[in-house]
Amino acid sequence: QVQLVQSGAEVKKPGASVKVSCKASGYTFTNYGINWVRQAPGQGLEWMGWVSANNGNTNYAQKFQGRVTMTTDTSTTTVYMELRSLRSDDTAVYYCAKGADSGTWYYSDYWGQGALVTVSS
Amino acid sequence: DIVMTQSPDSLSVSLGERATINCKSSQSVLYSSNNKNYLAWYQQKPGQPPKLLIYWASTRESGVPDRFSGSGSGTDFTLTISSLQAEDVAVYYCHQYYSTPFTFGPGTKVDI
Repeated sequence: QVQLVQSGAEVKKPGASVKVSCKASGYTFTNYGINWVRQAPGQGLEWMGWVSANNGNTNYAQKFQGRVTMTTDTSTTTVYMELRSLRSDDTAVYYCAKGADSGTWYYSDYWGQGALVTVSS
Repeated sequence: DIVMTQSPDSLSVSLGERATINCKSSQSVLYSSNNKNYLAWYQQKPGQPPKLLIYWASTRESGVPDRFSGSGSGTDFTLTISSLQAEDVAVYYCHQYYSTPFTFGPGTKVDI
């Protein structure tokens, strides 16, 4: 069965960086992309970007351009999302979600459990 | 960016009754070359990740009960729960994947 298992909760100071991992299993890793979506406490869902597990191509939301990097490691079927220059409003649960097909323009069909990132001085 | 709006913000429905959630996009999410609406619906319960219910506006995900149905095209969409069950209490989001940045509606909270 498809599983996406994310790294644990993190507490960071403003200005620091965080790297969240997402270990995928139960499907052919390189045949699909991964979306990253975040959810601030009590708020809605915000798409951050997409990364191809096949070739590492990325498509980032303009809002996060220059501050986010999404990468993949095919040897361990793990996807990473690094967010830099953290601010208090980056406090959120960060989800990885498997794209339903190989290209960018697909919905997400399976989601990780989420990783809470708290930014506080 | 495509802005997604949902109505109502919340609704209370009796067990066994119908629940209807509306979603509107600021521009069409219908791709003319394949005649597909790039619109999905998700259900999220407290402390859980979103769960896919409907994609391509009206295709039910495998394993999703048939009381959930999606309809609409272009800019106006509807999620219907035909007979609300206790386990359907959740927040429901519509989501467009027609153009980046992908966007979600603000959510509709459904309770009993």
